[in-house]
Amino acid sequence: QTVVTQEPSFSVSPGGTVTLTCGLSSGSVSPTYYPSWYRQTPGQSPRTLIYNTNIRSSDVPDRFSASILGNKAALTITGAQADDESDYYCALFMTSGIWVFGGGTKVTVL
Amino acid sequence: EVQLVESGGGLVKPGGSLRLSCAVSGFTVSTAWMSWVRQAPGKGLQWVGRIKNKSDGGTTDYAAPVKGRFTISGDDSENTLYLQLNSLKTEDTGVYYCTTLANPAYFHRWGQGTLVTVSS
Repeated sequence: QTVVTQEPSFSVSPGGTVTLTCGLSSGSVSPTYYPSWYRQTPGQSPRTLIYNTNIRSSDVPDRFSASILGNKAALTITGAQADDESDYYCALFMTSGIWVFGGGTKVTVL
Repeated sequence: EVQLVESGGGLVKPGGSLRLSCAVSGFTVSTAWMSWVRQAPGKGLQWVGRIKNKSDGGTTDYAAPVKGRFTISGDDSENTLYLQLNSLKTEDTGVYYCTTLANPAYFHRWGQGTLVTVSS
């Protein structure tokens, strides 16, 4: 069974930079997995941030960027703001035609 | 404007059934690839299943934990996506989100979700 791994939590100072990663329990993440990223604040629906590895969804500020770093997908928040506090989820599209989400990373800005 | 509005959640006993609806506006449901994603209380997101658009065959696929128990379908006359949940288990409890799938392979628009609680 494929497991997608994310850091459980991260803390970043206001104005700081944080990089979240999205890996595979077995193997490397590559663009062929079409990594995508979503953010969710408590009580709200998820919102799409990034798709196809590094393309920002509409209205997403450019302080959010994404890439492949080593063998993982990565989401970087540059110049973190208080309202960036959220849970962040990555999703990978498997060759079998199914999607698997990571467990999510809770980002705290303080 | 694209809108997705889920309904149909509620409390059901283990072994019971429920049908969730996702009312779609801004496009015709059969023209889009669509998906259901769920979230257990306090937990992360879990993909449930997907239906392709009619021109791509309208076929469905499901995550292993729900395969054989859940069924996705769409109705253009109601412009609604459905998720039929049968043989429900306590671990099926959670908020169920309807989403559109965009190319390539990502969840684009999300509904507000509907809560399913499976408990005796």
